[in-house]
Amino acid sequence: DIVMTQSPDSLAVSRGETATINCKSSQSLLYTNNHINHLAWYQHKPGQPPKLLIYWASTRESGIPDRFSGSGSATDFTLSISSLQPEDVAVYYCQQYRSPPYTFGQGTRLEMK
Amino acid sequence: QVTLRESGPAVVKPTQTLRLTCTFSGFSLTTTGMCVNWIRQSPGKALEWLALIDWGGKKYYSASLRTRLSISNDSSKNQVVLTMANADPADTGIYYCARMAPRGVSLGAFDSWGQGTVVAVSS
Repeated sequence: DIVMTQSPDSLAVSRGETATINCKSSQSLLYTNNHINHLAWYQHKPGQPPKLLIYWASTRESGIPDRFSGSGSATDFTLSISSLQPEDVAVYYCQQYRSPPYTFGQGTRLEMK
Repeated sequence: QVTLRESGPAVVKPTQTLRLTCTFSGFSLTTTGMCVNWIRQSPGKALEWLALIDWGGKKYYSASLRTRLSISNDSSKNQVVLTMANADPADTGIYYCARMAPRGVSLGAFDSWGQGTVVAVSS
């Protein structure tokens, strides 16, 4: 199974600043034939289902503000949230869908400082 | 409009079999590249992927739960059913179903989720 490891486990960022979350996979998530990384980022708030933010490591889902951006390739990925807003307080997960089982990271709790 | 809705018992006793149903609309599970997944979140823990069934009827399971899980598809009802044998209090949590759809020439991620159903395993 592919193991996903996020860092940090939690972070506190001031309003308007940038939050950065890292995700490392135990195997490459890159399909060499089409150069697509099968890595997604989700936002999860209490009482709601997770929301897809980013897929293919860097493609924003429709309706997601451009404050959210994803980068990285193969085994190392980053989610950046710029100009942090109060509504961004949530737990963020990376997930690989390169091959089943489609494993999630352990989550990163983002709080407002 | 794509929707998914989970249903099932709110409480099951230890050792019983848990049966959860995901009823979906707005897409067809027979479309190439489409699949329906089950994911859960136990209290205080991370999201845990459990199982999927794809457009061709292929099934995949979490390695740690493989011996207890079974997933099936009733295409006439647009439903995917997950059964979990020998329920344990550690299986308490919120169970979600989610769609994974093709995007262009590749796979998308879990772009639509149900609201989740809460299950407690308790005697």
